[in-house]
Amino acid sequence: EVQLVESGGGLVQPGGSLRLSCVASGFTVSTNYMSWVRQAPGKGLEWVSVLYNDGSTDYADSVRGRFTISRDNSKNTLFIQMNSLRIEDTAVYYCTRPGAYGAFAMWGQGTMVIVSS
Amino acid sequence: DIQLTQSPSSLSASIGDRVTITCRANQSISNYLNWYQQKPGKAPKLLIYHTSTLQNGVPSRFSGSGSGTDFTLTVTRLQPEDFATYYCQQSYRTPFTFGQGTQVEIK
Repeated sequence: EVQLVESGGGLVQPGGSLRLSCVASGFTVSTNYMSWVRQAPGKGLEWVSVLYNDGSTDYADSVRGRFTISRDNSKNTLFIQMNSLRIEDTAVYYCTRPGAYGAFAMWGQGTMVIVSS
Repeated sequence: DIQLTQSPSSLSASIGDRVTITCRANQSISNYLNWYQQKPGKAPKLLIYHTSTLQNGVPSRFSGSGSGTDFTLTVTRLQPEDFATYYCQQSYRTPFTFGQGTQVEIK
């Protein structure tokens, strides 16, 4: 079955760190470009980061310099390392796999990150 | 950054109604405009990509049109399962921005 399963969310204090994982099944992460998208409680969707097939990356300005996207090909897993977390980073984080024309065709179930003291 | 403005922000409609949601970009994005449906507590679901191509398994009552900066999502004959929030999104260039969403509620 082709799917994405995120994990690693939880409660963290402001300034803390967290690493989210996204295990892919049914396809190879390294041959696809993958993104993270987040959604704050009661708010809309916000694109966070992309990791391209060639290993290049890009980030939203709101997380640039604090978040790092990466992958482990041997585990077919996508990660996002989140440092210097802020209250405004509180959100459900989704792992996505783009399809044709870059549309986010596949989504994981999401993992909740709460940044609070 | 490319900004997407959806209208309306919310609407009330009845079963069987025709519903139209618009999405305007602040610069041309060619046809790299996608539409998603999201229900409470669930991940978004891709409905339409590249302006007008229906994702596999999406009912034909959903359609999309437009080009450049102005785009439209239309749902003909609204069904109970269509009450949800809809987002447009551009995949033309990073940051891959989303519209603010349109909540479709039951009248």
